[in-house]
Amino acid sequence: DQQVKQNSPSLSVQEGRISILNCDYTNSMFDYFLWYKKYPAEGPTFLISISSIKDKNEDGRFTVFLNKSAKHLSLHIVPSQPGDSAVYFCAASSPYGGSQGNLIFGKGTKLSVKP
Amino acid sequence: GAGVSQSPRYKVAKRGQDVALRCDPISGHVSLFWYQQALGQGPEFLTYFQNEAQLDKSGLPSDRFFAERPEGSVSTLKIQRTQQEDSAVYLCASSLGESETQYFGPGTRLLVL
Repeated sequence: DQQVKQNSPSLSVQEGRISILNCDYTNSMFDYFLWYKKYPAEGPTFLISISSIKDKNEDGRFTVFLNKSAKHLSLHIVPSQPGDSAVYFCAASSPYGGSQGNLIFGKGTKLSVKP
Repeated sequence: GAGVSQSPRYKVAKRGQDVALRCDPISGHVSLFWYQQALGQGPEFLTYFQNEAQLDKSGLPSDRFFAERPEGSVSTLKIQRTQQEDSAVYLCASSLGESETQYFGPGTRLLVL
């Protein structure tokens, strides 16, 4: 049973518009959430993270929102650029069960930003 | 600075063959993780080292999988008697500490025929 779910396998957005990628989780013990970006034939690259004590974290064009009551987080990219086209993975970690750094990933959402 | 490197980048093995996958973490990173990524899936945790100590191997799918990090730097993931279901990308990640940001290597794509 998947603990981290990304229900949209793909998303297409026009350049300059906002991209919103969504992620849901089931384990209420998760206390840290991350977004990774992956280009073909490369490993995932860390993008942005958020602790469960916050509800928003912003870094340039990227903002992550966390709604703990809904067990939902989202990544906003504004404005979207063609270079943002990649697969985005949501990941979560918990201080309980296994190593604290053990990340649990969703299946990813492929973002295409069209010029 | 140099990131995480992995070798080989691609490996084709015949079913039943043993393989060894290497990971060179970022210098000074204490923590090292191995993940397995099947086609169309997200990475799944295999095992974790803190320096040379393997603290968590709960994700290893069978006793055919073995990992080591004898000197607390380079790590090797070994798969014995490979099966077709072992075909996947094997990702290595390192971090300064257990709860710090993980930096991933490019992965080794393993194809078992």
